[in-house]
Amino acid sequence: QKEVEQNSGPLSVPEGAIASLNCTYSDRGSQSFFWYRQYSGKSPELIMSIYSNGDKEDGRFTAQLNKASQYVSLLIRDSQPSDSATYLCAVNAGGGADGLTFGKGTHLIIQP
Amino acid sequence: DAMVIQNPRYQVTQFGKPVTLSCSQTLNHNVMYWYQQKSSQAPKLLFHYYDKDFNNEADTPDNFQSRRPNTSFCFLDIRSPGLGDAAMYLCATSRAGSEKLFFGSGTQLSVL
Repeated sequence: QKEVEQNSGPLSVPEGAIASLNCTYSDRGSQSFFWYRQYSGKSPELIMSIYSNGDKEDGRFTAQLNKASQYVSLLIRDSQPSDSATYLCAVNAGGGADGLTFGKGTHLIIQP
Repeated sequence: DAMVIQNPRYQVTQFGKPVTLSCSQTLNHNVMYWYQQKSSQAPKLLFHYYDKDFNNEADTPDNFQSRRPNTSFCFLDIRSPGLGDAAMYLCATSRAGSEKLFFGSGTQLSVL
């Protein structure tokens, strides 16, 4: 069974600090890795994707992937109260989106 | 704007009373998905359509059915809702072979 593990939180971070969210996965054949942001009562929104080992930066967001350790993380710099949400990690072994396995998400709270 | 639309936003039904949730899309995507997400849980794929081809997940209960009469519309039928079926139901679309999901706003189902 493919598993994606995340600490459910809540993770509390002061405004302006760096928020670090972590995710581990069980399927060594996984090829694609995604971070979704989900506000309370809303649908998930894709914010980052990463496919190769290393870092990928997009604005205040940086995704980090280490396939050897089966670990993917999301860093949010200069955290804002509007970043308060649940962050879902999703992993795919290839093919279409029907192969995506989601984690339960980490609830992030940015304290003003 | 091209989008995925779910109606209604909130649905209340009675235990055992059939209910239908609807989803429409203007993205002209081949693939449509239905996910179930319970509170603080990962989205769980129930089934998906690749064009007219229906693909049921192995652990989706028989109580859940789906119809896709044309490219734009997809319906989720719950034949006899139980209390455990209360959840957010998310419709999503993607292009064939793409891992990028476009989510609708979701329908929050309550069962009384």
